[in-house]
Amino acid sequence: GQNIDQPTEMTATEGAIVQINCTYQTSGFNGLFWYQQHAGEAPTFLSYNVLDGLEEKGRFSSFLSRSKGYSYLLLKELQMKDSASYLCAVRDSNYQLIWGAGTKLIIKP
Amino acid sequence: DAMVIQNPRYQVTQFGKPVTLSCSQTLNHNVMYWYQQKSSQAPKLLFHYYDKDFNNEADTPDNFQSRRPNTSFCFLDIRSPGLGDTAMYLCATSLQVEGYNEQFFGPGTRLTVL
Repeated sequence: GQNIDQPTEMTATEGAIVQINCTYQTSGFNGLFWYQQHAGEAPTFLSYNVLDGLEEKGRFSSFLSRSKGYSYLLLKELQMKDSASYLCAVRDSNYQLIWGAGTKLIIKP
Repeated sequence: DAMVIQNPRYQVTQFGKPVTLSCSQTLNHNVMYWYQQKSSQAPKLLFHYYDKDFNNEADTPDNFQSRRPNTSFCFLDIRSPGLGDTAMYLCATSLQVEGYNEQFFGPGTRLTVL
């Protein structure tokens, strides 16, 4: 079966750095997406990786290792507004998005 | 601003009473998706349309139907809602299925079945 694993919940301090991991087992791979979802709202796109390596976008970076079936999202200089769920999604060989259940990130002052 | 709009934002219905959720988009995207998301769970794809081609996920209950009368609009019909259908329903669009094509989500409709 197809599977995306992420930690259920993480806690970090305002101003710090946090890394949210995602491991996947899918039938084929055609890209990995990270989305941010605030409580009661729709997911919004953060990043896309299709090749191995690090993609940096301001305070957020995303890393991919296809051979390990692994990605992480790195958030720097955490702000209170970063409190949200972060969803990892992998597009399989049929171009279907397989979603993880999300990691709820709690930021403390 | 180009966007994905969902109506209503909140819907309460009674067990067994049909309900229709709507989605419209001004992005001119050819792919539209309907997801069901329950609390603290991953979004679950119900259907998607690639242009007018309808694609039903194998495990989507028969109780759920969809219509796409034109490029801009898509509807989700729940014929006989059960208590287990209480969830957030998300509509999303993308320009294509392949390549670097993120999905753009509407704000969602929160459905409560009593």
